[in-house]
Amino acid sequence: GNSVTQMEGPVTLSEEAFLTINCTYTATGYPSLFWYVQYPGEGLQLLLKATKADDKGSNKGFEATYRKETTSFHLEKGSVQVSDSAVYFCALRQGAQKLVFGQGTRLTINP
Amino acid sequence: GAGVSQSPRYKVAKRGQDVALRCDPISGHVSLFWYQQALGQGPEFLTYFQNEAQLDKSGLPSDRFFAERPEGSVSTLKIQRTQQEDSAVYLCASRDRGRETQYFGPGTRLLVL
Repeated sequence: GNSVTQMEGPVTLSEEAFLTINCTYTATGYPSLFWYVQYPGEGLQLLLKATKADDKGSNKGFEATYRKETTSFHLEKGSVQVSDSAVYFCALRQGAQKLVFGQGTRLTINP
Repeated sequence: GAGVSQSPRYKVAKRGQDVALRCDPISGHVSLFWYQQALGQGPEFLTYFQNEAQLDKSGLPSDRFFAERPEGSVSTLKIQRTQQEDSAVYLCASRDRGRETQYFGPGTRLLVL
């Protein structure tokens, strides 16, 4: 079945550091891929998405590129801020309506 | 406009008690989803509605779990004879017709003692 594997956390960085959170997936065919973010005390919010191979999703300085050859969708940001502290979830959707999520990566940015 | 709302936000139940969790989707959204999120884990799919029709309930963990959306708007997730392993955050999401993005509510945190 379809599955998503994320880099284990927690991840702690200093402000302005470069961020990478790894995400790989297992699926037949060509799923749509998503990154959701959960800020403290808030609900899940869509951060970015990509629907086909080589697409790059971007939002709020975050980027992720859909890599079919490596079945990956790694999240990157060039310079993180304290306000980026949150839990990040990689997810896929293929055919069926439901989303399949990774286990989440908790990110803490220190000033 | 208003987002997805859920109530109650927190629920403490004694083992064996029945609970009902409510979801108000974004107005006009055709699709509605329920997910269960255990502590420290990602959300896991429970069930999906398109309007009032429950098209997929493959994720419901047992026959103690039941969901309905009788008028194609508000949905209720009911858990009968709650067990400790039912303790989790229950998330509702809705999606507009023909769109990719699911919009999530804040969740109901259920604690079964």
